[in-house]
Amino acid sequence: GAGVSQTPSNKVTEKGKYVELRCDPISGHTALYWYRQSLGQGPEFLIYFQGTGAADDSGLPNDRFFAVRPEGSVSTLKIQRTERGDSAVYLCASSSSSMGTGELFFGEGSRLTVL
Amino acid sequence: AQTVTQSQPEMSVQEAETVTLSCTYDTSENNYYLFWYKQPPSRQMILVIRQEAYKQQNATENRFSVNFQKAAKSFSLKISDSQLGDTAMYFCAFGGSARQLTFGSGTQLTVLP
Repeated sequence: GAGVSQTPSNKVTEKGKYVELRCDPISGHTALYWYRQSLGQGPEFLIYFQGTGAADDSGLPNDRFFAVRPEGSVSTLKIQRTERGDSAVYLCASSSSSMGTGELFFGEGSRLTVL
Repeated sequence: AQTVTQSQPEMSVQEAETVTLSCTYDTSENNYYLFWYKQPPSRQMILVIRQEAYKQQNATENRFSVNFQKAAKSFSLKISDSQLGDTAMYFCAFGGSARQLTFGSGTQLTVLP
């Protein structure tokens, strides 16, 4: 597609369940980012991929969070044993620049609600 | 670590008027980029304007311009001739050696008819 696509748009789950959020970046973009945005806050960095490898995962809050990008394109953010505090909008962005200087193109996000 | 501060949680402006959104940041880096992103209710973040720290000239994009004061670590956004479609959340962001962007907490701008 022409833009960054994220699925699902909305996800409601129960505490303790496993969740996967998918991001399909703009074709050809080598850099891919995951951010988490809580209500009324700015996006917080989670993880950054350059190609297939996680170049920086320092923003992942704990070991329940994991992300992969096996073929250097689509990425999946995985959350195990979800907690109510995980409720947020998860934003994915891609960029053609690996230097942190270029524009990030964002998807519309996946809103996760943990009951 | 870099920090970005937006001290105005909400602002409003009359249609066709001018409004300025404030942003300050803290960094020890000398080469970096600053951004203003707009987030409408659709949730998709859209780049409004970008400033390279090594450029002294303030960036402009049509009705949008910035006032970049490197020594003061200030980066404000001016919107001229405000339009109803400008109503959105605006985020200031810092991009440096760490590759990812650091965002402020945002300013909700409402343009009143």
